[in-house]
Amino acid sequence: DAGVIQSPRHEVTEMGQEVTLRCKPISGHDYLFWYRQTMMRGLELLIYFNNNVPIDDSGMPEDRFSAKMPNASFSTLKIQPSEPRDSAVYFCASSWGRGGYNEQFFGPGTRLTVL
Amino acid sequence: AQSVTQLGSHVSVSEGALVLLRCNYSSSVPPYLFWYVQYPNQGLQLLLKYTSAATLVKGINGFEAEFKKSETSFHLTKPSAHMSDAAEYFCAVARSSGNTPLVFGKGTRLSVIA
Repeated sequence: DAGVIQSPRHEVTEMGQEVTLRCKPISGHDYLFWYRQTMMRGLELLIYFNNNVPIDDSGMPEDRFSAKMPNASFSTLKIQPSEPRDSAVYFCASSWGRGGYNEQFFGPGTRLTVL
Repeated sequence: AQSVTQLGSHVSVSEGALVLLRCNYSSSVPPYLFWYVQYPNQGLQLLLKYTSAATLVKGINGFEAEFKKSETSFHLTKPSAHMSDAAEYFCAVARSSGNTPLVFGKGTRLSVIA
């Protein structure tokens, strides 16, 4: 298996622009997680899905952030409009099961820079 | 609610020396505990996990961790550090029952000095 795939790996954009991050989970996994990592706040869980349904989005910082999972093999995290404080590394992870027992597999991340 | 505290944001050891990375947890129910490692410019990968079987857990790359309920700790150790161990290490906790996902600590950066 190719593992969790994220694209793009790097994104540089200007404040106010729309940003879309993409994730392809490992085939057969039923949970998908979006995380944000910054020096100041560490690794934060933004939202997670079970069988394509959002379960908990309480970590999404504000309405500018939205996430979708239209099918089992694809998810997007969108920021509109983007702001400099959104600059971070965004990780997608997937697991079979909630992750309480089963391993979460992480993608390589997307490094977002908002100028 | 569950949480983990990693003591020390940065640990530096000499090559060949003992590695000790500290993690204390808080959980109202028996926890599952994990250590993940993140190499530069990569995602996290699982080192080892405790899921209520043996309290001493062995992981990849010579790492191990011991679950101590009385101390609410799950410290990560390796007898002899290698240069390739330089990375960020994250402790995480999950409920053994219920519907919550992993909660990660802030991470500890390990530097290995030649």
